[in-house]
Amino acid sequence: DTAVSQTPKYLVTQMGNDKSIKCEQNLGHDTMYWYKQDSKKFLKIMFSYNNKELIINETVPNRFSPKSPDKAHLNLHINSLELGDSAVYFCASSQVGTGNEKLFFGSGTQLSVL
Amino acid sequence: RKEVEQDPGPFNVPEGATVAFNCTYSNSASQSFFWYRQDCRKEPKLLMSVYSSGNEDGRFTAQLNRASQYISLLIRDSKLSDSATYLCVVNRRGYTGGFKTIFGAGTRLFVKA
Repeated sequence: DTAVSQTPKYLVTQMGNDKSIKCEQNLGHDTMYWYKQDSKKFLKIMFSYNNKELIINETVPNRFSPKSPDKAHLNLHINSLELGDSAVYFCASSQVGTGNEKLFFGSGTQLSVL
Repeated sequence: RKEVEQDPGPFNVPEGATVAFNCTYSNSASQSFFWYRQDCRKEPKLLMSVYSSGNEDGRFTAQLNRASQYISLLIRDSKLSDSATYLCVVNRRGYTGGFKTIFGAGTRLFVKA
């Protein structure tokens, strides 16, 4: 009954491949996010979706394409993987509206591009 | 300059010590403030919210100074299990709508026996 679950936990792949990471939340939240944590441990937002609508898109290469089929799911597809994409990717969710939003994170996907 | 700045540490303290972390934020439109904790190879988890009136939860006390745009976290009587990275977090409206949650780079704490 994990609140925010993402799969896979580990992803090892070759440069140039296309891969997807899936995320689901059962908290009933209306907003979901993708964060990237690089080797320096800095956590940076990539995308935010509110009720399936994209509301935040940071300066992320268009090789990254999020998809939200419903408000409980936010998947991340990455085309033509590069070495610099190696990082831990965290999915998160929150309930937006009060300005006091607290984030609940998935356990992360460690992506290694060889 | 990063929008949320923290001393990266690491802080190495003995068990039982009191340790204080500081954080500053640059956007005066920031609306809500938090401390998260992240253990090695784990996801960040909310530790506590931060208010101008102060917020205490057991051995942890958080304080916000809006005038100085400064946030603090005090840990008393440190335990080995407090060893982690502590992330200062700020919420504000995004420039194109929606809320943005901005994370500091984190302060690492090692508590030694």
